[in-house]
Amino acid sequence: GQNIDQPTEMTATEGAIVQINCTYQTSGFNGLFWYQQHAGEAPTFLSYNVLDGLEEKGRFSSFLSRSKGYSYLLLKELQMKDSASYLCAVRSYGGATNKLIFGTGTLLAVQP
Amino acid sequence: DGGITQSPKYLFRKEGQNVTLSCEQNLNHDAMYWYRQDPGQGLRLIYYSQIVNDFQKGDIAEGYSVSREKKESFPLTVTSAQKNPTAFYLCASNGVAGVNEQFFGPGTRLTVL
Repeated sequence: GQNIDQPTEMTATEGAIVQINCTYQTSGFNGLFWYQQHAGEAPTFLSYNVLDGLEEKGRFSSFLSRSKGYSYLLLKELQMKDSASYLCAVRSYGGATNKLIFGTGTLLAVQP
Repeated sequence: DGGITQSPKYLFRKEGQNVTLSCEQNLNHDAMYWYRQDPGQGLRLIYYSQIVNDFQKGDIAEGYSVSREKKESFPLTVTSAQKNPTAFYLCASNGVAGVNEQFFGPGTRLTVL
């Protein structure tokens, strides 16, 4: 089967660093995405990993280990506006399609 | 500006009525998707289309229907057969450039009374 797990909620302090983990079990792995979603709004793309290692993009970094079925999103210098849900999604390659399978999301609350 | 539009933002319908949610994109993307989002659950795929005049069922297609007559448009009809239609519906599309990430529309919150 296909399964993606991430924590339901996390709390962190403004200015701090937070790591959001994601573990997955899928067939035909073809990349892992992280999206940010503020309440009632559309998810917006944050990062993408297809090879093992760390991808850095400003305050946000994402790591992937394909052998462990594991990824994390690292947010540095947290700001209040980072309070949002963070969605881990795996692209599963099957034939001609590139469908995404989403985790339930991690709701991050940044406190002053 | 290029992007995906969904209308309306909020929609109310009586139980037993069919309702159509619109999704339009001007990104020149071939692939389009419809997701449903419920509290405490991830996005679940309803239908997707890789090309005009072709579409495939996703994981929860029962009670829904779609059409793809134009590249820019992928409307979703929520029929009376859908047992629990109240949800947040998101449309997305992706092209073939870069990492092929999916771009999402602003969503339609459907409430069935």
